[in-house]
Amino acid sequence: KAGVTQTPRYLIKTRGQQVTLSCSPISGHRSVSWYQQTPGQGLQFLFEYFSETQRNKGNFPGRFSGRQFSNSRSEMNVSTLELGDSALYLCASSLYGGGNNEQFFGPGTRLTVL
Amino acid sequence: SQQGEEDPQALSIQEGENATMNCSYKTSINNLQWYRQNSGRGLVHLILIRSNEREKHSGRLRVTLDTSKKSSSLLITASRAADTASYFCAPEWGGSYIPTFGRGTSLIVHP
Repeated sequence: KAGVTQTPRYLIKTRGQQVTLSCSPISGHRSVSWYQQTPGQGLQFLFEYFSETQRNKGNFPGRFSGRQFSNSRSEMNVSTLELGDSALYLCASSLYGGGNNEQFFGPGTRLTVL
Repeated sequence: SQQGEEDPQALSIQEGENATMNCSYKTSINNLQWYRQNSGRGLVHLILIRSNEREKHSGRLRVTLDTSKKSSSLLITASRAADTASYFCAPEWGGSYIPTFGRGTSLIVHP
């Protein structure tokens, strides 16, 4: 069974631009969560999508948004990039999300904002 | 903050020794998970322990949970160089069951 894939793996953008990251979950998984990882803040939860609906949201500004398609693939978008958005963005999928569900993480997209 | 906080931040040991990492949290939880991350890559799930469980084992891993002290520990026995990684605890709280990660413990196992 293929694992969680994320594209692109690396991305360099400049301040003010916008970026779209993609995540393909494990086949059959309906929940996709996004996390931002930085050395200073650690791993922070961005949002979770289940059956094309945002089910949970972390404490991030509105510049961070996402969506999920009918095949469970998910995208996250960051508009008006700031230097502080430089981070490793991780996507995780699970069967149903919620408790008692193991999350499977992708390798991440490393975003650098110049 | 409702995220887990790992202690110590860094741990350096020799191959064959045991490694113990601790996690503390501040609110009542539903479950607590431990994950491992190698060299800034994706996380790998290690163990999930439910709030009504006190101890779980998986191979060389032993996890304990003390809900009265709001703490958990991860013990890796007979460590190997391949265990070198960052280890994160992720308590799940509230109705959303969203795991909240700390900054992790960086473990280095010297061959």
